[in-house]
Amino acid sequence: QVQLQQPGAELVKPGASVKLSCKASGYTFTSYWMHWVKQRPGQGLEWIGEINPSNGRTNYNEKFKSKATLTVDKSSSTAYMQLSSLTSEDSAVYYCADAMDYWGQGTSVTVSS
Amino acid sequence: DIVLTQSPATLSVTPGDSVSLSCRASQSISNNLHWYQQKSHESPRLLIKYASQSISGIPSRFSGSGSGTDFTLSINSVETEDFGMYFCQQSNSWPRTFGGGTKLEIK
Repeated sequence: QVQLQQPGAELVKPGASVKLSCKASGYTFTSYWMHWVKQRPGQGLEWIGEINPSNGRTNYNEKFKSKATLTVDKSSSTAYMQLSSLTSEDSAVYYCADAMDYWGQGTSVTVSS
Repeated sequence: DIVLTQSPATLSVTPGDSVSLSCRASQSISNNLHWYQQKSHESPRLLIKYASQSISGIPSRFSGSGSGTDFTLSINSVETEDFGMYFCQQSNSWPRTFGGGTKLEIK
């Protein structure tokens, strides 16, 4: 069955960067765009962007263009999202979702000194 | 960006009731509208895609309708496991956007 494995939590300092991972299994990794979504505590969902694992092509939400960088490693069927210059506004749960059909469990990012 | 407005914000119902949740788009999105359920501390789960297409493994009491700007998610005879948040999302244009959600709670 389709599984998207994400680390449970990351604690990072303000101003730092973090690279989140999403390891896919149970399907052909290069067949579907991988999406990333942000959810702040008690809030709704924000679409960050998507990446085509077969060729690395990306589409970003303009709001996150300077914040997030999406990449993939086809050899390990893993998608990555790097978040830079972190502030308290970046504290949230970040989900990966393949074709927006199957979702990972999310990584909770806490930005704190 | 396309704005999706969901109503009501909160719906209080008794198990066994049938309910309709609304999602309205700020411009026509054809049938490129998808519905998700999210329970507390869980990731979203796809319920309906492309406005009315059913998803394998999702109970048949969930159905979707609509096209253009007005969409509805219907739940026929709500069960206790159905309580939680419901979001709509459009894939007609970039950026993809979500509605603010409807909270389905027990009366």
